[in-house]
Amino acid sequence: EAGVAQSPRYKIIEKRQSVAFWCNPISGHATLYWYQQILGQGPKLLIQFQNNGVVDDSQLPKDRFSAERLKGVDSTLKIQPAKLEDSAVYLCASSLGTSGRAYEQFFGPGTRLTVL
Amino acid sequence: GDSVTQMEGPVTLSEEAFLTINCTYTATGYPSLFWYVQYPGEGLQLLLKATKADDKGSNKGFEATYRKETTSFHLEKGSVQVSDSAVYFCALSDNKFYFGSGTKLNVKP
Repeated sequence: EAGVAQSPRYKIIEKRQSVAFWCNPISGHATLYWYQQILGQGPKLLIQFQNNGVVDDSQLPKDRFSAERLKGVDSTLKIQPAKLEDSAVYLCASSLGTSGRAYEQFFGPGTRLTVL
Repeated sequence: GDSVTQMEGPVTLSEEAFLTINCTYTATGYPSLFWYVQYPGEGLQLLLKATKADDKGSNKGFEATYRKETTSFHLEKGSVQVSDSAVYFCALSDNKFYFGSGTKLNVKP
């Protein structure tokens, strides 16, 4: 079974530029998550989709971050414009469901973003 | 709000030593608890989980017991190997996921 795919793996940009990340979840997984992991910290949930609807985006900085999941499959996360503090690893995860608390999340390898 | 607190690292052990990584949580409901592991250069992988009080999760020699009375989910392994060197994250899920800050484990031969 193929895992969660993410691209690119690494990205270096200058502040005020824009950047986009792509995620393809495991086939059949209804729920997709985007996390931000700053060096030395645990992952912080940015946004959670159930199929193509947003379940939780309370920690997404909406003035500069946006995400979509068209057709309920793959997803893109965009930052525009980027700030220095956005330097982090952006993780995508998927799970079969969400309301069942025991659903395991499967993580992709992440995209390491460096903002100069 | 819900949160997870885990011991700071790094933790450095010799091979075959006993491992404990402490994790405590705060939750308003009855969460599920998880340990994830992140090997160098890789994504997070589920190590073990427990969904209700007194459940014990186990995998690859690691164990953790859901202790509601002490709101804890400490990770243990009786004999660590060099290949266990990684960052370990405690997490809870009560419809939303919350991760601890991670504990880096270094195992020396």
